[in-house]
Amino acid sequence: AQKITQTQPGMFVQEKEAVTLDCTYDTSDPSYGLFWYKQPSSGEMIFLIYQGSYDQQNATEGRYSLNFQKARKSANLVISASQLGDSAMYFCAMSRITGGGNKLTFGTGTQLKVEL
Amino acid sequence: DGGITQSPKYLFRKEGQNVTLSCEQNLNHDAMYWYRQDPGQGLRLIYYSQIVNDFQKGDIAEGYSVSREKKESFPLTVTSAQKNPTAFYLCASSYSGGRHTGELFFGEGSRLTVL
Repeated sequence: AQKITQTQPGMFVQEKEAVTLDCTYDTSDPSYGLFWYKQPSSGEMIFLIYQGSYDQQNATEGRYSLNFQKARKSANLVISASQLGDSAMYFCAMSRITGGGNKLTFGTGTQLKVEL
Repeated sequence: DGGITQSPKYLFRKEGQNVTLSCEQNLNHDAMYWYRQDPGQGLRLIYYSQIVNDFQKGDIAEGYSVSREKKESFPLTVTSAQKNPTAFYLCASSYSGGRHTGELFFGEGSRLTVL
């Protein structure tokens, strides 16, 4: 079974500062994918970034980067130069890399508040 | 624009009534999913379908039913057997197999309240 743990229920960061949201995972699968999603107060889930377990380099997408430490089973999200619009709930998720669909297992989320 | 449409956005139901949530996608995705979200919790998988006329139970399928008669549509019925149906329901779809990352594309959700 796969499990995702997000230990930070809430985080505060000042505008323009960088922030790291923690995510650890547990799986016995040799191949897996790691995802981060953003959920604003409106409710929709917005895909941010993806890391495959065999990817050699950490994933980056604009201001988002994923700090992937395979031996420690961690996949922390780093947001650089925080903006007020980054205030939202952030979910870490993982999947098996198999054909025929992609079930994701989600963590409980971290509520991020960006302050002036 | 391509995407996933869920309806209704808000729904109120009396205890003992069944209710059906609609989910339609025009992304030509093979796989579709229903997740449930409760306050302060992550998303939990209810049902998923990898191909038309086939679907599998997720982690919390009891009290729910689905159908997949068309590739574009994956409606979810919340039955009276669901003990605590008040929640936020999210539908998603994805490519199936191949070299895709498996990213899920989500609808905007349906909020069900049982009175």
